[in-house]
Amino acid sequence: AQSVAQPEDQVNVAEGNPLTVKCTYSVSGNPYLFWYVQYPNRGLQFLLKYITGDNLVKGSYGFEAEFNKSQTSFHLKKPSALVSDSALYFCAVRDDSSASKIIFGSGTRLSIRP
Amino acid sequence: DAGVIQSPRHEVTEMGQEVTLRCKPISGHNSLFWYRQTMMRGLELLIYFNNNVPIDDSGMPEDRFSAKMPNASFSTLKIQPSEPRDSAVYFCASSPRDSYNSPLHFGNGTRLTVT
Repeated sequence: AQSVAQPEDQVNVAEGNPLTVKCTYSVSGNPYLFWYVQYPNRGLQFLLKYITGDNLVKGSYGFEAEFNKSQTSFHLKKPSALVSDSALYFCAVRDDSSASKIIFGSGTRLSIRP
Repeated sequence: DAGVIQSPRHEVTEMGQEVTLRCKPISGHNSLFWYRQTMMRGLELLIYFNNNVPIDDSGMPEDRFSAKMPNASFSTLKIQPSEPRDSAVYFCASSPRDSYNSPLHFGNGTRLTVT
């Protein structure tokens, strides 16, 4: 069975500092991992994905994520946070079984203070 | 590309009434998903369609919930009768195909309040 965990409900970072939003997963096959962002009163927007290949994936708005197979993690990172990055972030996973559904984490609220 | 369009954006209804939520996926996308978001339960997959055919409805909470996709450009989620615990934000999402690496494109949701 698939599962995904975001251990932090909230992450607070000062503007200009690096940020990390954590995600760990569990799948029975090969993982396909995604990050989405949700702004108030909006739907989720796709940020980036890992399918195969380079463990460091670059996405929209300067975000990147590092796939770590041994730690079953896919943490979202950004070298320098902006106030406008404040939002709700969701990690999602599915595996390569034919009946696989995409499963979302519980979300992490990122707050960037000026 | 107008994106995934959901209507209405807000719906307030009384317990026992029928509620119909609507979704127009992105043209050319052949997979469609209905999700429900609440503070307590997060984002839950209710049902998804491939090529207008329901593939997995195991997330539909009760027989009060039903979903249809009569054609490639339209889907509905109906709740009859509605109950206060159905209050949530309902999202529709589409993707180009149900492959493992296709990201989902979400609409802006319908906020349902059942009093």
